[in-house]
Amino acid sequence: QKEVEQNSGPLSVPEGAIASLNCTYSDRGSQSFFWYRQYSGKSPELIMSIYSNGDKEDGRFTAQLNKASQYVSLLIRDSQPSDSATYLCASRGRGSTLGRLYFGRGTQLTVWP
Amino acid sequence: DTAVSQTPKYLVTQMGNDKSIKCEQNLGHDTMYWYKQDSKKFLKIMFSYNNKELIINETVPNRFSPKSPDKAHLNLHINSLELGDSAVYFCASSPLLAGGGNTGELFFGEGSRLTVL
Repeated sequence: QKEVEQNSGPLSVPEGAIASLNCTYSDRGSQSFFWYRQYSGKSPELIMSIYSNGDKEDGRFTAQLNKASQYVSLLIRDSQPSDSATYLCASRGRGSTLGRLYFGRGTQLTVWP
Repeated sequence: DTAVSQTPKYLVTQMGNDKSIKCEQNLGHDTMYWYKQDSKKFLKIMFSYNNKELIINETVPNRFSPKSPDKAHLNLHINSLELGDSAVYFCASSPLLAGGGNTGELFFGEGSRLTVL
């Protein structure tokens, strides 16, 4: 079973703070990792993807990958109330074709003004 | 224009009934999926089709039968509904890379919330 575990949350941070979301995965062969954001009652949308060890930045979002520790994280700087959502971590294994992603159970983030 | 559209958005039905959910995408993608999200937000793949061919069939009861009449449409028929089938069912699509495989970016429909009483 290829499992993806997320810190269960919920996570609550004040506006302007850094929100840190963490994820571990069990399949050492996993190659690609994704963060999806899901607003309440809406569908998930991709916000970050990361394939190599290290950091990847996109605006206020930074994804971090450490394959040795099988660990992925998402940092949200200058958090805004509009960032309040559930964040889903997903992995795709080596040889996995055609979009089979394994999702974690999500971390619910609330940013309070 | 909605990229991935599902109908109906809400389904309330009795145990034992049969129901269908339809999905259409106008993104020109080759690959389409059905994902199930339970009440605890756990999102799990059920089926994947590539250009009308079944590619992924996870361990799903055979009461669930997908059908893809063409690469823009993927429908899901569920027979003999059970209480545990209550969930949100998401259709999704993704483009193929030039060398085959996918980017991992899934474009989701709005979901169909199924409630079995």
